Amino acid sequence: EAGVAQSPRYKIIEKRQSVAFWCNPISGHATLYWYQQILGQGPKLLIQFQNNGVVDDSQLPKDRFSAERLKGVDSTLKIQPAKLEDSAVYLCASSALAGGQYNEQFFGPGTRLTVL
Amino acid sequence: GNSVTQMEGPVTLSEEAFLTINCTYTATGYPSLFWYVQYPGEGLQLLLKATKADDKGSNKGFEATYRKETTSFHLEKGSVQVSDSAVYFCALKAAGNKLTFGGGTRVLVKP
Repeated sequence: EAGVAQSPRYKIIEKRQSVAFWCNPISGHATLYWYQQILGQGPKLLIQFQNNGVVDDSQLPKDRFSAERLKGVDSTLKIQPAKLEDSAVYLCASSALAGGQYNEQFFGPGTRLTVL
Repeated sequence: GNSVTQMEGPVTLSEEAFLTINCTYTATGYPSLFWYVQYPGEGLQLLLKATKADDKGSNKGFEATYRKETTSFHLEKGSVQVSDSAVYFCALKAAGNKLTFGGGTRVLVKP
């Protein structure tokens, strides 16, 4: 079974530029997550989708970050304009439909963003 | 709010040594607890979990027991191998399927 795919794996941009990351979850997984992992810290949830609806975006900096999941499959996370503090690894994860019971989240390899 | 605190690394060990990584948490209600591992160049993988007090999660020789009275979930392995070198993350799940992670502990096992 194919895992969670992400691209690109690495991206270097200058501050104030825009950037987009793409995620393809495991087939059939209804729930998709984007995390930000700053060097030396644990992942922090940015946004959670269930199918194509947003469940939780309370920690998404909405003035510069946006995300969408059209058709409830692939997802794109965008940053515009980027700041130096956005340098991090952006992780995508997916799980089966989240209900009362925990459904394991499967993580992609991440996209390492460097903002100069 | 919910939070997870784990010991800072790096932890450097010799092969066959005993490993302990401390993890404590703060949460409302009764969270589920997890250990995730990130091997070099790979994505996060679930290592083990426990969903209620006194549960013991185990996998690949690693164990952790959910201690509600001390709000802890320490990770242990009796005899580590070089292949156990990785970053280990403690995490909790409260409402929904949202995970809150600790800062991670890097473990380096030398032959």
